[in-house]
Amino acid sequence: QQQVKQSPQSLIVQKGGISIINCAYENTAFDYFPWYQQFPGKGPALLIAIRPDVSEKKEGRFTISFNKSAKQFSLHIMDSQPGDSATYFCAASKDDKIIFGKGTRLHILP
Amino acid sequence: SQTIHQWPATLVQPVGSPLSLECTVEGTSNPNLYWYRQAAGRGLQLLFYSVGIGQISSEVPQNLSASRPQDRQFILSSKKLLLSDSGFYLCAWSALKEKLFFGSGTQLSVL
Repeated sequence: QQQVKQSPQSLIVQKGGISIINCAYENTAFDYFPWYQQFPGKGPALLIAIRPDVSEKKEGRFTISFNKSAKQFSLHIMDSQPGDSATYFCAASKDDKIIFGKGTRLHILP
Repeated sequence: SQTIHQWPATLVQPVGSPLSLECTVEGTSNPNLYWYRQAAGRGLQLLFYSVGIGQISSEVPQNLSASRPQDRQFILSSKKLLLSDSGFYLCAWSALKEKLFFGSGTQLSVL
């Protein structure tokens, strides 16, 4: 059973554009929703995270929007840059268990 | 500062051979430890996690096993590898049950 569904699988955006990646979860017990960024050959690194008691969190060009009633959350990358090209994973966690989505390969065209 | 060591970086093994991947963490005590596998199109699949010495939770039934013989050591093993065990294996730790710090991974190819 896939507990965290992520889309799209791949995404191409022009430099300066907005990149949007969406995730949906099933278990309402999840209480922490992070996004990780992974470059080729490296382990993922935490990018930004949100808790379900807020609807939006912004850190620089990265914003998480959270819709608790719909059980959905999304990552917005404003003014996308070629250096943002990477694989992005959403995740959801409860206690010690952290479940990831299948990832989105983002490519920013120069 | 905390660091995580994972080795080897790459490994090529024949089908039916045993496997042992090791992960160690420095600079922290009693971390939660995790093994994930990354395969094409399947994202990051949680295999095992541990909240303490000797405490292992298995998420996916398969021919892999994990052990935590010391507080900051986590080992992934198999007695007989299958072709389907190929993938990128990542060890991770967390101190606050949330933020994960990943190792650099092991690319395993089973031939």
